[in-house]
Amino acid sequence: QVQLVQSGAEVKKPGASVKVSCKASGYTFTSYGISWVRQAPGQGLEWMGWISAYNGNTNYAQKLQGRVTMTTDTSTSTAYMELRSLRSDDTAVYYCARDNGDYFRAFDIWGQGTMVTVSS
Amino acid sequence: DIQLTQSPSFLSASVGDRVTITCRASQGISSYLAWYQQKPGKAPKLLIYAASTLQSGVPSRFSGSGSGTEFTLTISSLQPEDFATYYCQQLNSYPLFTFGPGTKVDIK
Repeated sequence: QVQLVQSGAEVKKPGASVKVSCKASGYTFTSYGISWVRQAPGQGLEWMGWISAYNGNTNYAQKLQGRVTMTTDTSTSTAYMELRSLRSDDTAVYYCARDNGDYFRAFDIWGQGTMVTVSS
Repeated sequence: DIQLTQSPSFLSASVGDRVTITCRASQGISSYLAWYQQKPGKAPKLLIYAASTLQSGVPSRFSGSGSGTEFTLTISSLQPEDFATYYCQQLNSYPLFTFGPGTKVDIK
């Protein structure tokens, strides 16, 4: 079935980097875009950025520009999100989500989430 | 950037109630709006896209309407499994997206 499976939980110190993976299966990876969304404890959803799995084009949320990099490996149908210079307020569950490719678009498939804890 | 507001932020309702949640955009977004349901500890689930198109597999008690700047999500008869938080999302400024702040639906 169509699914996105993410890497496991991470604990990082302030100033470090984290790289989360999102492996796609059950569909043609390069036909859809992938967005990353995070959710701090008890808070709402925050869109972080988008990557085209077709050509690698990216668009990042302004507040994360310069700290986030999204990439894909088409040979393994995997998307990656790297966040650098981590701060305590980066503690959150990080989700990848597939852009359904419809004219009006929506995120139809979501990964299970990866908890990233930033603590000294 | 396009901002979204949702009202109410929280609502308390009973099984069988008709529930309506409103999402307003800071500028016109045509029908580029989606609705998601999220339960504690789970990933969001797509309910509605293109403002009013029901995602495959979603019960027909869910419906969406609106265009431009004002949108609604309606649950015609609230079921026990519908107690959750609901988010709207604008996709007009692709590939830059925004979520609303969420509406928590709780049991009265």
